[in-house]
Amino acid sequence: NAGVTQTPKFRILKIGQSMTLQCTQDMNHNYMYWYRQDPGMGLKLIYYSVGAGITDKGEVPNGYNVSRSTTEDFPLRLELAAPSQTSVYFCASTSLDRAEYSNQPQHFGDGTRLSIL
Amino acid sequence: AQTVTQSQPEMSVQEAETVTLSCTYDTSESDYYLFWYKQPPSRQMILVIRQEAYKQQNATENRFSVNFQKAAKSFSLKISDSQLGDAAMYFCAFTAGGTSYGKLTFGQGTILTVHP
Repeated sequence: NAGVTQTPKFRILKIGQSMTLQCTQDMNHNYMYWYRQDPGMGLKLIYYSVGAGITDKGEVPNGYNVSRSTTEDFPLRLELAAPSQTSVYFCASTSLDRAEYSNQPQHFGDGTRLSIL
Repeated sequence: AQTVTQSQPEMSVQEAETVTLSCTYDTSESDYYLFWYKQPPSRQMILVIRQEAYKQQNATENRFSVNFQKAAKSFSLKISDSQLGDAAMYFCAFTAGGTSYGKLTFGQGTILTVHP
């Protein structure tokens, strides 16, 4: 059981380039999330999804896009990379089952460290 | 909107001693959960302890316990018998129930140093 898998683990981009951060989970979770963590700070929610075809903005969505065509995958797209998007990005997933949620609220991936120069 | 505040950017403790990390939150929700996460240098997010708002009893997990003061909106973490492996960044986090289920709001974090 792999849990939440994020690729790549590290990436350096030039300003203005685009890229997609991949996230996949094998737990059949409906809810998935993208967070960013700036140096020395807590995580902030970028986008989330409550199921295939349904996405919504979080606290800091500007400069990002998401899609959710399957239950398993929730990619995050940066269209025009900017230095302010240098951060560590975490993908997470959650079960709708409250008993399971109470035991393990979110399953996090290992993060993607992204630097934009 | 919910807010979570950790007022201690850094804390330190001697090995085997006890330390308390502070967290306050603000919400108008009645159904919510609170969590403490540990993030070591590997940047993994590790759940330390959780508290359901409807439970009056404070949660305990081995050497970790919380002091949940619902009226004061306070949620502190006590680490007893501190170990070198406890050194990490600690985050307090909040999520409401209902349609906000699972959307975590994090505090700014507290860096914990453990001295041998």
